[in-house]
Amino acid sequence: DAMVIQNPRYQVTQFGKPVTLSCSQTLNHNVMYWYQQKSSQAPKLLFHYYDKDFNNEADTPDNFQSRRPNTSFCFLDIRSPGLGDAAMYLCATSRAVGGASNQPQHFGDGTRLSIL
Amino acid sequence: RKEVEQDPGPFNVPEGATVAFNCTYSNSASQSFFWYRQDCRKEPKLLMSVYSSGNEDGRFTAQLNRASQYISLLIRDSKLSDSATYLCVVNRDTGFQKLVFGTGTRLLVSP
Repeated sequence: DAMVIQNPRYQVTQFGKPVTLSCSQTLNHNVMYWYQQKSSQAPKLLFHYYDKDFNNEADTPDNFQSRRPNTSFCFLDIRSPGLGDAAMYLCATSRAVGGASNQPQHFGDGTRLSIL
Repeated sequence: RKEVEQDPGPFNVPEGATVAFNCTYSNSASQSFFWYRQDCRKEPKLLMSVYSSGNEDGRFTAQLNRASQYISLLIRDSKLSDSATYLCVVNRDTGFQKLVFGTGTRLLVSP
């Protein structure tokens, strides 16, 4: 099945130790997104890639970076995780052509990040 | 004020009940609208898109009122499996799909 796959499902890291979360997709969608969702809160968009163009949300901390080496893969790098970064991280994809896109986003299962 | 507002609930209903969720959004430039369902510790999954004319998918009916910037979801004949958090989602659609999520309304359906 065409999917959005996130690895790992659960990630534990130490305070301040860099961590990378990965996302891959078989949908050939040109837009990929990273969201952060904390307990009982709405998913919050961190950034997205429109093809190779990176778009950062204004309130995304510098501690969060992303890489998209090709259409299928996108990575979320947290350079120095703090306790407040413990959350579910969701990857999503959608197709946008030219102008507007009303096509829904497809989400991966998420990676739950814990900070020790 | 949040861009997308929902009553967090929880809504506790018995099986077979009809339940309605409401949502308001503040950005009048919003282009498209969705309801997503999220089970505990899982990813959001698209339940249905919401159209101005209203649309129905089985036991689920969604309505959109652009003038009032109001979206609703009606669930008829509730099932135990409907227990989840329902997220109202608005697409700002600035050339790609930029979704803004409400915090969700939690539904608990009991036997």
